[in-house]
Amino acid sequence: DQQVKQNSPSLSVQEGRISILNCDYTNSMFDYFLWYKKYPAEGPTFLISISSIKDKNEDGRFTVFLNKSAKHLSLHIVPSQPGDSAVYFCAAKGSGGSNYKLTFGKGTLLTVNP
Amino acid sequence: GAGVSQSPRYKVTKRGQDVALRCDPISGHVSLYWYRQALGQGPEFLTYFNYEAQQDKSGLPNDRFSAERPEGSISTLTIQRTEQRDSAMYRCASSGGRWETQYFGPGTRLLVL
Repeated sequence: DQQVKQNSPSLSVQEGRISILNCDYTNSMFDYFLWYKKYPAEGPTFLISISSIKDKNEDGRFTVFLNKSAKHLSLHIVPSQPGDSAVYFCAAKGSGGSNYKLTFGKGTLLTVNP
Repeated sequence: GAGVSQSPRYKVTKRGQDVALRCDPISGHVSLYWYRQALGQGPEFLTYFNYEAQQDKSGLPNDRFSAERPEGSISTLTIQRTEQRDSAMYRCASSGGRWETQYFGPGTRLLVL
């Protein structure tokens, strides 16, 4: 049973436009969420995170939004650049004793076309 | 600075053989994690070390899988009597502490024939 779901396996956008990647979760114990970016032949690289006490976190072109009531988060990339083309993984972890254990979604392949 | 390194990057083995996968974490990182990633999936947690202590091995699929980190730095994930279903990417990550951001290595792709 997937506790973190990324329902779009792929997304294609034009350079300069906004990319929106979505993620849903089912475990109400999750309280910290992360996005990782992965290029081919490399390991996932941390991109941005958000705590459940916030509903938005921004870092340059990247913004993550969290809707706790809907158990939904999204990553916005504005403007999108060809170098953003990668697989993006949504991940979550809970508080308490297992607060080190990341649960990942399946990933979304973003392609930014020049 | 140097990131997390893993070796070998690729390992092809025959069913029934034992394999040992190595992880060298970022210097000074006390927390170390192993994940397994099947094709088309995200990484799945296997085990967690705090210094040399294995504090959580709940994700190890069965007793053929074991991990150690004897000196609190380099870690080895060992799979005994490999089976074809063990074929996957094995990823190691490290962090400064259990609450801190996890940094991943490039992974070891294991293929069991």
